[in-house]
Amino acid sequence: GAVVSQHPSWVICKSGTSVKIECRSLDFQATTMFWYRQFPKQSLMLMATSNEGSKATYEQGVEKDKFLINHASLTLSTLTVTSAHPEDSSFYICSATRASVGNSPLHFGNGTRLTVT
Amino acid sequence: GQNIDQPTEMTATEGAIVQINCTYQTSGFNGLFWYQQHAGEAPTFLSYNVLDGLEEKGRFSSFLSRSKGYSYLLLKELQMKDSASYLCGHPANTGFQKLVFGTGTRLLVSP
Repeated sequence: GAVVSQHPSWVICKSGTSVKIECRSLDFQATTMFWYRQFPKQSLMLMATSNEGSKATYEQGVEKDKFLINHASLTLSTLTVTSAHPEDSSFYICSATRASVGNSPLHFGNGTRLTVT
Repeated sequence: GQNIDQPTEMTATEGAIVQINCTYQTSGFNGLFWYQQHAGEAPTFLSYNVLDGLEEKGRFSSFLSRSKGYSYLLLKELQMKDSASYLCGHPANTGFQKLVFGTGTRLLVSP
Protein backbone atom coordinates (compact mmCIF):
# COMPACT_ATOMS: atom_id res chain seq x y z
CA GLY A 1 0.00 0.00 0.00
CA ALA A 2 0.86 3.66 -0.22
CA VAL A 3 3.49 4.86 2.19
CA VAL A 4 3.28 8.52 1.24
CA SER A 5 -0.06 10.28 1.04
CA GLN A 6 -0.62 13.54 -0.76
CA HIS A 7 -3.71 15.74 -0.60
CA PRO A 8 -5.54 17.02 -2.54
CA SER A 9 -5.22 14.94 -5.70
CA TRP A 10 -6.30 17.86 -7.80
CA VAL A 11 -7.25 21.47 -7.22
CA ILE A 12 -8.50 24.29 -9.37
CA CYS A 13 -8.00 27.83 -8.14
CA LYS A 14 -8.30 31.34 -9.41
CA SER A 15 -5.30 33.43 -10.27
CA GLY A 16 -4.01 35.34 -7.27
CA THR A 17 -5.18 32.88 -4.63
CA SER A 18 -3.05 30.52 -2.56
CA VAL A 19 -3.18 26.74 -2.49
CA LYS A 20 -1.85 24.37 0.16
CA ILE A 21 -0.76 20.83 -0.62
CA GLU A 22 -0.11 18.28 2.12
CA CYS A 23 2.33 15.40 2.09
CA ARG A 24 2.24 12.74 4.80
CA SER A 25 4.43 9.75 5.49
CA LEU A 26 1.97 7.10 6.60
CA ASP A 27 3.87 4.56 8.65
CA PHE A 28 7.30 6.04 9.13
CA GLN A 29 8.93 9.24 10.23
CA ALA A 30 10.54 11.38 7.58
CA THR A 31 12.85 14.13 8.74
CA THR A 32 13.29 15.07 5.13
CA MET A 33 10.78 15.24 2.33
CA PHE A 34 11.15 16.51 -1.20
CA TRP A 35 8.87 18.49 -3.46
CA TYR A 36 8.95 18.02 -7.21
CA ARG A 37 7.12 19.69 -10.04
CA GLN A 38 6.33 18.11 -13.38
CA PHE A 39 5.04 19.90 -16.44
CA PRO A 40 3.26 17.90 -19.17
CA LYS A 41 5.52 15.45 -20.96
CA GLN A 42 8.51 16.54 -18.93
CA SER A 43 10.42 14.87 -16.15
CA LEU A 44 10.33 15.55 -12.47
CA MET A 45 12.12 18.71 -11.42
CA LEU A 46 13.19 18.99 -7.82
CA MET A 47 11.91 22.19 -6.26
CA ALA A 48 12.98 22.01 -2.66
CA THR A 49 13.99 19.89 0.28
CA SER A 50 11.69 20.07 3.27
CA ASN A 51 13.50 19.71 6.59
CA GLU A 52 11.61 18.94 9.78
CA GLY A 53 12.03 21.70 12.29
CA SER A 54 14.10 23.97 10.07
CA LYS A 55 13.91 25.99 6.90
CA ALA A 56 13.48 24.33 3.56
CA THR A 57 16.28 24.45 1.04
CA TYR A 58 15.31 25.47 -2.45
CA GLU A 59 16.78 24.54 -5.78
CA GLN A 60 18.16 27.23 -8.00
CA GLY A 61 15.45 29.19 -9.74
CA VAL A 62 12.67 28.29 -7.32
CA GLU A 63 11.19 31.26 -5.50
CA LYS A 64 11.05 30.53 -1.80
CA ASP A 65 8.57 33.32 -1.13
CA LYS A 66 6.19 31.91 -3.69
CA PHE A 67 6.46 28.26 -2.72
CA LEU A 68 6.23 28.18 1.04
CA ILE A 69 7.22 24.91 2.68
CA ASN A 70 6.46 23.94 6.25
CA HIS A 71 7.62 20.69 7.84
CA ALA A 72 6.18 21.00 11.31
CA SER A 73 6.14 17.32 12.23
CA LEU A 74 7.98 14.15 11.35
CA THR A 75 5.12 12.95 9.19
CA LEU A 76 3.82 16.07 7.49
CA SER A 77 5.17 18.60 5.05
CA THR A 78 3.07 21.25 3.33
CA LEU A 79 3.68 23.23 0.17
CA THR A 80 1.76 26.45 -0.28
CA VAL A 81 1.69 28.03 -3.70
CA THR A 82 1.09 31.69 -2.98
CA SER A 83 -0.51 34.14 -5.38
CA ALA A 84 -0.88 31.40 -7.94
CA HIS A 85 -0.75 32.22 -11.63
CA PRO A 86 -1.66 30.11 -14.67
CA GLU A 87 2.02 29.32 -15.28
CA ASP A 88 2.06 27.59 -11.88
CA SER A 89 -0.36 25.00 -13.24
CA SER A 90 1.53 21.76 -12.95
CA PHE A 91 1.71 18.36 -11.31
CA TYR A 92 3.27 18.67 -7.85
CA ILE A 93 4.66 15.52 -6.25
CA CYS A 94 6.18 15.00 -2.84
CA SER A 95 8.46 12.22 -1.77
CA ALA A 96 10.01 10.76 1.33
CA THR A 97 12.26 7.92 2.30
CA ARG A 98 12.66 5.76 5.35
CA ALA A 99 15.86 7.41 6.37
CA SER A 100 16.58 4.84 9.03
CA VAL A 101 16.87 2.13 6.40
CA GLY A 102 20.03 2.32 4.33
CA ASN A 103 19.63 2.85 0.60
CA SER A 104 15.87 2.91 1.00
CA PRO A 105 14.10 3.91 -2.21
CA LEU A 106 12.31 7.18 -2.43
CA HIS A 107 8.53 6.84 -2.16
CA PHE A 108 6.34 9.30 -3.97
CA GLY A 109 2.92 10.61 -3.15
CA ASN A 110 0.24 10.34 -5.82
CA GLY A 111 0.72 13.94 -6.81
CA THR A 112 -1.48 17.01 -6.91
CA ARG A 113 -2.61 18.42 -10.22
CA LEU A 114 -2.93 22.17 -9.83
CA THR A 115 -4.84 24.18 -12.40
CA VAL A 116 -4.84 27.95 -12.04
CA THR A 117 -7.51 29.74 -14.04
CA GLY B 1 27.66 18.03 -13.17
CA GLN B 2 24.62 15.79 -12.90
CA ASN B 3 23.58 15.45 -16.53
CA ILE B 4 21.33 12.51 -17.25
CA ASP B 5 20.42 11.55 -20.78
CA GLN B 6 17.71 9.18 -21.96
CA PRO B 7 15.89 8.77 -25.24
CA THR B 8 12.69 10.79 -25.30
CA GLU B 9 10.41 8.15 -26.76
CA MET B 10 10.48 4.49 -27.73
CA THR B 11 7.95 2.16 -29.24
CA ALA B 12 7.74 -1.61 -29.09
CA THR B 13 5.24 -4.37 -29.63
CA GLU B 14 3.56 -6.60 -27.11
CA GLY B 15 5.67 -9.62 -26.19
CA ALA B 16 8.91 -8.04 -27.36
CA ILE B 17 12.00 -6.95 -25.43
CA VAL B 18 13.03 -3.32 -25.10
CA GLN B 19 16.14 -1.71 -23.66
CA ILE B 20 16.04 1.84 -22.37
CA ASN B 21 19.47 3.43 -22.05
CA CYS B 22 20.61 6.08 -19.65
CA THR B 23 23.92 7.89 -19.47
CA TYR B 24 24.89 10.11 -16.63
CA GLN B 25 27.62 12.35 -15.33
CA THR B 26 28.07 12.93 -11.64
CA SER B 27 31.04 13.86 -9.53
CA GLY B 28 30.00 11.60 -6.68
CA PHE B 29 28.25 8.36 -7.48
CA ASN B 30 25.72 6.91 -5.06
CA GLY B 31 23.75 4.55 -7.20
CA LEU B 32 21.35 4.66 -10.10
CA PHE B 33 17.58 4.39 -9.79
CA TRP B 34 14.87 3.50 -12.27
CA TYR B 35 11.26 4.51 -11.75
CA GLN B 36 8.13 3.84 -13.77
CA GLN B 37 5.52 6.56 -14.13
CA HIS B 38 2.14 6.14 -15.77
CA ALA B 39 0.53 9.29 -17.09
CA GLY B 40 -0.94 11.41 -14.32
CA GLU B 41 0.39 9.16 -11.58
CA ALA B 42 3.31 9.20 -9.20
CA PRO B 43 6.51 7.37 -10.07
CA THR B 44 6.96 3.90 -8.64
CA PHE B 45 10.30 2.38 -7.76
CA LEU B 46 11.65 -0.27 -10.11
CA SER B 47 15.31 -0.80 -9.33
CA TYR B 48 18.47 0.48 -7.70
CA ASN B 49 22.00 -0.34 -8.87
CA VAL B 50 25.08 0.64 -6.97
CA LEU B 51 27.50 -2.02 -8.20
CA ASP B 52 28.37 -2.90 -11.78
CA GLY B 53 26.37 -5.62 -13.40
CA LEU B 54 22.86 -6.79 -14.02
CA GLU B 55 20.08 -6.89 -11.45
CA GLU B 56 17.10 -9.00 -12.47
CA LYS B 57 13.60 -8.66 -11.08
CA GLY B 58 11.11 -10.72 -12.99
CA ARG B 59 10.43 -9.17 -16.39
CA PHE B 60 12.53 -6.12 -15.56
CA SER B 61 16.30 -6.01 -15.31
CA SER B 62 18.66 -3.11 -14.79
CA PHE B 63 22.31 -2.89 -15.71
CA LEU B 64 25.01 -0.53 -14.51
CA SER B 65 28.53 0.31 -15.66
CA ARG B 66 30.05 2.92 -13.39
CA SER B 67 33.19 3.34 -15.46
CA LYS B 68 31.11 4.20 -18.50
CA GLY B 69 28.46 6.24 -16.68
CA TYR B 70 25.86 4.02 -18.29
CA SER B 71 22.79 2.11 -17.26
CA TYR B 72 19.95 0.42 -19.02
CA LEU B 73 16.54 -0.92 -18.10
CA LEU B 74 15.54 -4.09 -19.90
CA LEU B 75 11.88 -4.99 -20.17
CA LYS B 76 11.00 -8.48 -21.36
CA GLU B 77 7.71 -9.97 -22.54
CA LEU B 78 6.25 -6.53 -22.93
CA GLN B 79 2.65 -5.99 -21.95
CA MET B 80 0.33 -3.17 -22.85
CA LYS B 81 0.39 -1.98 -19.25
CA ASP B 82 4.12 -1.34 -19.59
CA SER B 83 3.31 1.75 -21.64
CA ALA B 84 4.61 4.47 -19.34
CA SER B 85 7.49 6.83 -18.80
CA TYR B 86 10.67 5.38 -17.36
CA LEU B 87 12.80 7.70 -15.31
CA CYS B 88 16.51 7.26 -14.73
CA GLY B 89 17.85 9.12 -11.73
CA HIS B 90 20.56 9.26 -9.12
CA PRO B 91 21.16 10.97 -5.80
CA ALA B 92 22.31 14.55 -5.98
CA ASN B 93 25.81 15.34 -4.83
CA THR B 94 24.33 17.18 -1.88
CA GLY B 95 22.36 14.35 -0.41
CA PHE B 96 21.60 10.69 -1.02
CA GLN B 97 17.88 11.03 -0.57
CA LYS B 98 17.62 13.91 -3.02
CA LEU B 99 17.11 12.36 -6.43
CA VAL B 100 17.64 14.10 -9.73
CA PHE B 101 16.08 12.64 -12.82
CA GLY B 102 16.61 12.56 -16.51
CA THR B 103 13.85 13.68 -18.86
CA GLY B 104 12.33 10.21 -18.85
CA THR B 105 11.64 7.86 -21.72
CA ARG B 106 8.04 7.48 -22.87
CA LEU B 107 7.51 3.89 -23.93
CA LEU B 108 4.53 2.98 -26.06
CA VAL B 109 3.68 -0.69 -26.34
CA SER B 110 1.44 -1.55 -29.25
CA PRO B 111 -0.51 -4.78 -29.91
